Amino acid sequence: DSGVTQTPKHLITATGQRVTLRCSPRSGDLSVYWYQQSLDQGLQFLIQYYNGEERAKGNILERFSAQQFPDLHSELNLSSLELGDSALYFCASSVQAGGPYEQYFGPGTRLTVT
Amino acid sequence: GDSVTQMEGPVTLSEEAFLTINCTYTATGYPSLFWYVQYPGEGLQLLLKATKADDKGSNKGFEATYRKETTSFHLEKGSVQVSDSAVYFCAPEGGGTSYGKLTFGQGTILTVHP
Repeated sequence: DSGVTQTPKHLITATGQRVTLRCSPRSGDLSVYWYQQSLDQGLQFLIQYYNGEERAKGNILERFSAQQFPDLHSELNLSSLELGDSALYFCASSVQAGGPYEQYFGPGTRLTVT
Repeated sequence: GDSVTQMEGPVTLSEEAFLTINCTYTATGYPSLFWYVQYPGEGLQLLLKATKADDKGSNKGFEATYRKETTSFHLEKGSVQVSDSAVYFCAPEGGGTSYGKLTFGQGTILTVHP
């Protein structure tokens, strides 16, 4: 158990819908990262927050947004969902932002868009 | 941008065989380098890391050495076990504007038979 929790574990929804994925980082970790894992794209970095502020952005679509709240939990919002958004979404946390600091991964949320 | 080339899989070995999974990368500056492992149905776990040139990371019998001159971070284990069956990901952590961002290779599936 990494100490990072993600909810829900599974999510099935229809095209055009909007969903919110939630992540609670390990106690004491200030940085949260979101990754998407799909068969065709592999594991891709989406976005990073550090202590409530956006720190780095990867290949995140405009239909996707995220935020980190004062209690440090984070939410990833996915809207106007398409079939191709079906993937495993991982959240990770680390004590600081980047560098040699290990990122601890949550168990993931499996999103299926039908 | 940053990129990672990992040895194509899947790799199938017998128990106690020697394992090498090659990884080469391109990244800005002097990134920290990580190997993560994903067991079936689970999230990613850090296997080992190295933060500067010539550093050797090691854990659970696995080793990898940070080779700056060849931009490589090959994973090795002298004697694999059935329990090592998993997917292995090489990931440099980008410096500069990519600070904190892990760029993952495509993953190498390892299957170890008794």
